[in-house]
Amino acid sequence: KQEVTQIPAALSVPEGENLVLNCSFTDSAIYNLQWFRQDPGKGLTSLLLIQSSQREQTSGRLNASLDKSSGRSTLYIAASQPGDSATYLCAVRRGETSGSRLTFGEGTQLTVNP
Amino acid sequence: DGGITQSPKYLFRKEGQNVTLSCEQNLNHDAMYWYRQDPGQGLRLIYYSQIVNDFQKGDIAEGYSVSREKKESFPLTVTSAQKNPTAFYLCASSIYVGPTEAFFGQGTRLTVV
Repeated sequence: KQEVTQIPAALSVPEGENLVLNCSFTDSAIYNLQWFRQDPGKGLTSLLLIQSSQREQTSGRLNASLDKSSGRSTLYIAASQPGDSATYLCAVRRGETSGSRLTFGEGTQLTVNP
Repeated sequence: DGGITQSPKYLFRKEGQNVTLSCEQNLNHDAMYWYRQDPGQGLRLIYYSQIVNDFQKGDIAEGYSVSREKKESFPLTVTSAQKNPTAFYLCASSIYVGPTEAFFGQGTRLTVV
């Protein structure tokens, strides 16, 4: 059974810092990995999707990497801003079709202090 | 704008009542999903549907029911058999095959009173 772990559970940094969020998964046979952002009381917003054949994806100040063989992904946030404060979740999918469910980590709660 | 709409945003249920949560999408996605989120836990899959008139149980389907009569709609009913229904419920959709990026609605918070 796939298990996804996110470390740390919570992180507080001053504005302007570069930071890394970690996601690890136990079964390396994944199809893709997706990073989400969740604001309090809101739904999930997709940030980045990495296919198993890819090493990284970038969007603005966000960069996500994937090392499938070691079962790890990182989300790098450059020059953090107070507006980045949210919970960040990673999720892995095993197969190509929609019947292959997403397995989620419990998230990292990020606070960026002005 | 394309997206997923969940309603209502807040819902209160009395003991013994059934309640239905609405989820509608205009992304032309084949697959739709319902997840439950509890504090300190990751999202858990309740039910999913890959095509109209077909759906499968997820990891925690007991006490819930769904229907998929239209591609755009996937309502979730929380029945009186669900003993601990207070939670945040999230609906998602994706294409059937391929990159399968999942998109989520804004959620419904259900509280038992």
